[in-house]
Amino acid sequence: EAGVAQSPRYKIIEKRQSVAFWCNPISGHATLYWYQQILGQGPKLLIQFQNNGVVDDSQLPKDRFSAERLKGVDSTLKIQPAKLEDSAVYLCASSLDPQDLGQFFGPGTRLTVL
Amino acid sequence: AQSVTQLDSHVSVSEGTPVLLRCNYSSSYSPSLFWYVQHPNKGLQLLLKYTSAATLVKGINGFEAEFKKSETSFHLTKPSAHMSDAAEYFCVVSDIRGSYIPTFGRGTSLIVHP
Repeated sequence: EAGVAQSPRYKIIEKRQSVAFWCNPISGHATLYWYQQILGQGPKLLIQFQNNGVVDDSQLPKDRFSAERLKGVDSTLKIQPAKLEDSAVYLCASSLDPQDLGQFFGPGTRLTVL
Repeated sequence: AQSVTQLDSHVSVSEGTPVLLRCNYSSSYSPSLFWYVQHPNKGLQLLLKYTSAATLVKGINGFEAEFKKSETSFHLTKPSAHMSDAAEYFCVVSDIRGSYIPTFGRGTSLIVHP
């Protein structure tokens, strides 16, 4: 079974530039999550999708971050414009049943904003 | 609102000795609880989960955790540490009131000495 795929694995940009991350969840997983993990901290949930609907985006900085999952499968997270404090690893995860089965994580995208 | 507290940022043990990583949670409803492990430069992996069945939960690699409602705790243990256990460990809580939106603890770094 293929795992959660993410690209790119690494990205370096200047502040005020834009960046986009892509995630393809495990086939059949209806729930998709995007997390931000700053060095030395636990992952912080940015947005949770159930199919193509948003379950929670309360911690997503909506003035600069956006995410979509148009067909209920893969997803894109965008930052525009980026700030220095956005430097982090962005993790995507998917789940068949969030209550019972937990989540499967992708390898993450390490973003450095200079 | 749900929350989780990992009481130690670092735990240091010798190889072959027991491991105890502490986690306390706060939840108004019957929670689902998880432990994840993150090895350096690798993705997060589910170790074990509690979802209102048996209170003693066994996971992969010899780890187990016990759900204690009276103490609101879900501590992770292993009888004998191995060098390969050195990693970051995260406790996660979610509950039905929060639509099973997960909240991560800050993490505990397990250091294993030869």
